[in-house]
Amino acid sequence: GNSVTQMEGPVTLSEEAFLTINCTYTATGYPSLFWYVQYPGEGLQLLLKATKADDKGSNKGFEATYRKETTSFHLEKGSVQVSDSAVYFCALSGAGSYQLTFGKGTKLSVIP
Amino acid sequence: NAGVTQTPKFRVLKTGQSMTLLCAQDMNHEYMYWYRQDPGMGLRLIHYSVGEGTTAKGEVPDGYNVSRLKKQNFLLGLESAAPSQTSVYFCASSYPGTSPAYEQYFGPGTRLTVT
Repeated sequence: GNSVTQMEGPVTLSEEAFLTINCTYTATGYPSLFWYVQYPGEGLQLLLKATKADDKGSNKGFEATYRKETTSFHLEKGSVQVSDSAVYFCALSGAGSYQLTFGKGTKLSVIP
Repeated sequence: NAGVTQTPKFRVLKTGQSMTLLCAQDMNHEYMYWYRQDPGMGLRLIHYSVGEGTTAKGEVPDGYNVSRLKKQNFLLGLESAAPSQTSVYFCASSYPGTSPAYEQYFGPGTRLTVT
């Protein structure tokens, strides 16, 4: 079956530091890949997505590239802000499937 | 557009009590989902629905029932609550658009404590 593995947190960074959160997946065929963000006390929001190999999703300064050869979709941001403090979830939907498989989430705290 | 809304936001139950969580969406989405979120476990799918009048089991369906009598509403029921059902419950919806990526839109969550 499908599975998503993402780096365990928590991750604590200083403001303006570089962020990488690793995500690897197992799936048959060509899944779609997502990053969701959950701010404290809120539901999940879609941050970015990629639907085919070598696609780069980007939003709010965050980027992730769909790497089929390494089955990875790592999240990066060049300069984090305190407002980026949240839990980040990597997820996939299998080819032709409407169901999402989530990683366990990575909590990011950014300190001034 | 309110998006996806959930009622109630918080609830405390005693073991053995029953309750229903209501999810409503105003985006005319076909698909709706119920998840539970537990520390260190990510989100796990409880039940889902691909249209009015249809429901199906997800990864962790035991102890829960669902109904989708109207397209915009998806109800999650606990017939006899247990402490293991203490969790945060999220509802989500999506549509079978032309894109291969079925984005899901989430509600704000219901925090349930069973004592």
